[in-house]
Amino acid sequence: QVQLQMSGPGLVKPSQTLSLTCAVSGGSINSGGYSWSWIRQPPGKGLEWIGYIYHSGTTYQNPSLKSRVTISVDTSKNQFSLKLTSVTAADTAVYYCARNSNSGDDFPDYWGQGTLVTVSS
Amino acid sequence: EIVMTQSPATLSVSPGERVTLSCRASQSVSRNLAWYQQKPGQAPRLLFYGASTRATGVPARFSGSGSGTEFTLTISSLQSEDFAVYYCHQYNNWPPMYTFGQGTKLEIK
Repeated sequence: QVQLQMSGPGLVKPSQTLSLTCAVSGGSINSGGYSWSWIRQPPGKGLEWIGYIYHSGTTYQNPSLKSRVTISVDTSKNQFSLKLTSVTAADTAVYYCARNSNSGDDFPDYWGQGTLVTVSS
Repeated sequence: EIVMTQSPATLSVSPGERVTLSCRASQSVSRNLAWYQQKPGQAPRLLFYGASTRATGVPARFSGSGSGTEFTLTISSLQSEDFAVYYCHQYNNWPPMYTFGQGTKLEIK
């Protein structure tokens, strides 16, 4: 059974960079044909797709965030990461990492528990 | 961007009732539509993909249908554990620009 464990600071100052890592256990990030997603949810609001990455390093990002988002993968550590630059209060959200289906369609089929990141000075 | 509109925003229902939640896409997403259930303080849980394919472990009282721009999630007889927020999610674009609906909250009447 795959498990996704997120790590990273819960508080980031405005204009700085938000950095989160999602460690995958219970399976190799390289195998099974999966891709790996980031999604966020502002407090009391709905879900926003950030982007996803394949183990090869191929990434796709939300165009509205693309200039500020970097998604990367470290297969040696079995983890993937999110960096979001120049954050503002609008980036305050619960951030989720997720595994995408290996069916050929990239929808999340298993989500990590999420971590709240607050942007505040 | 494909806009996903869910209705109603909130639905007050009693246990045992049958409920239907709607999700409309601003343009066709074929059958590339997933449904998720989210309970307070928890991550979303996949219920359906491909509009009507039930995910592993999802009870048979849940059903999904639709294609193109109109989709529904039906719960045949609400159980106490079904009170939650439900989101639809389209994954049809290429290159990807995936979007979620704003959610429908099922609350106890």
